[in-house]
Amino acid sequence: DGGITQSPKYLFRKEGQNVTLSCEQNLNHDAMYWYRQDPGQGLRLIYYSQIVNDFQKGDIAEGYSVSREKKESFPLTVTSAQKNPTAFYLCASSRDRVLGEAFFGQGTRLTVV
Amino acid sequence: DQQVKQNSPSLSVQEGRISILNCDYTNSMFDYFLWYKKYPAEGPTFLISISSIKDKNEDGRFTVFLNKSAKHLSLHIVPSQPGDSAVYFCAASGADMLTFGGGTRLMVKP
Repeated sequence: DGGITQSPKYLFRKEGQNVTLSCEQNLNHDAMYWYRQDPGQGLRLIYYSQIVNDFQKGDIAEGYSVSREKKESFPLTVTSAQKNPTAFYLCASSRDRVLGEAFFGQGTRLTVV
Repeated sequence: DQQVKQNSPSLSVQEGRISILNCDYTNSMFDYFLWYKKYPAEGPTFLISISSIKDKNEDGRFTVFLNKSAKHLSLHIVPSQPGDSAVYFCAASGADMLTFGGGTRLMVKP
């Protein structure tokens, strides 16, 4: 079955530690995205990538980093520079930016204690 | 500055009636619009979309209307069912990004 997989579903980290969230897709999609959702709020774009080895900052990229070494994978690192890292993180992929339809993973809830 | 806005954070509707969810956008470069449904602690799932060259798209109980001159789109669900209770996000595609509104929580009462 084709799909997009995020792992882990729940993640706990101590303040000041970097943490990497995994996102893998086997849909052969070119574009991949990372969004953040806070309670009662919409989805805010962190980073996106339209092609391997290229990525662009979204609206709230500060304190985050990404890589796109393979088409299937788009990991997100939440660094210690991110002031409020506790949130629900969603990864998505789409075949074509023009069509825009994106498929989402199940999300990772990151809690920093 | 929010480019996609959903001004109603919540909506309550009786089962069997029509649900109308609204969305406004400011960027005239957006060329494709989508609606997503989301349950708590899950990723959003795609519902329906519309290209900027159309003004209506229908799929079963779901219809999306686009008014380009007003930069407004709406999602109609009829008849509404209790299983439709979720948060609905509108999204706009353009300039390599997919921009989401803040969401509207729909509650369909039996």
